[in-house]
Amino acid sequence: KNEVEQSPQNLTAQEGEFITINCSYSVGISALHWLQQHPGGGIVSLFMLSSGKKKHGRLIATINIQEKHSSLHITASHPRDSAVYICAVRSNTGNQFYFGTGTSLTVIP
Amino acid sequence: NAGVTQTPKFQVLKTGQSMTLQCAQDMNHNSMYWYRQDPGMGLRLIYYSASEGTTDKGEVPNGYNVSRLNKREFSLRLESAAPSQTSVYFCASSAQAGISTEAFFGQGTRLTVV
Repeated sequence: KNEVEQSPQNLTAQEGEFITINCSYSVGISALHWLQQHPGGGIVSLFMLSSGKKKHGRLIATINIQEKHSSLHITASHPRDSAVYICAVRSNTGNQFYFGTGTSLTVIP
Repeated sequence: NAGVTQTPKFQVLKTGQSMTLQCAQDMNHNSMYWYRQDPGMGLRLIYYSASEGTTDKGEVPNGYNVSRLNKREFSLRLESAAPSQTSVYFCASSAQAGISTEAFFGQGTRLTVV
């Protein structure tokens, strides 16, 4: 079983398209993180949220605690957004992180 | 602004060899973590240190040992490397354990055991 499920696993979009990546989790959480992993392998933390919605540039993250679901949206996608996006949750019963397997996004010019 | 620094970036080991992966953070964070990332499995927690002087096992600790040398440094040791330990290893840190703080990741170490 996987405590965090992401969809889709792979996504190809045309430049300019609006993109949504979904994350569902099954454990109680204190926070949810969206991470971006570049083709070179480095991981960057995009958002940490525990309720509502956050926006940073063209990226928007939302979370619904009751439904145990989060979405990451990218508006006006660009080829430089091509990366793997990982959803991670921090358990509210300890120090454990659980990770989704990632969504591989390719944005075509 | 170094953040979390891991060394080395790449390493090839022969089965049975030992090595230590180094991790240091300059953000005065209390908690540090070691993960491995394998295709199709996501990131998995190997060990973590909630605060200086403490370490605890994560999801996949077998074959590894850790040392929280001081508040800045958290090393991961493979005593006798096995091909199953071929993976990408990430170190991360956060300000506090059990509190909703942001995690910061190192650039990763790509380890191949032949």
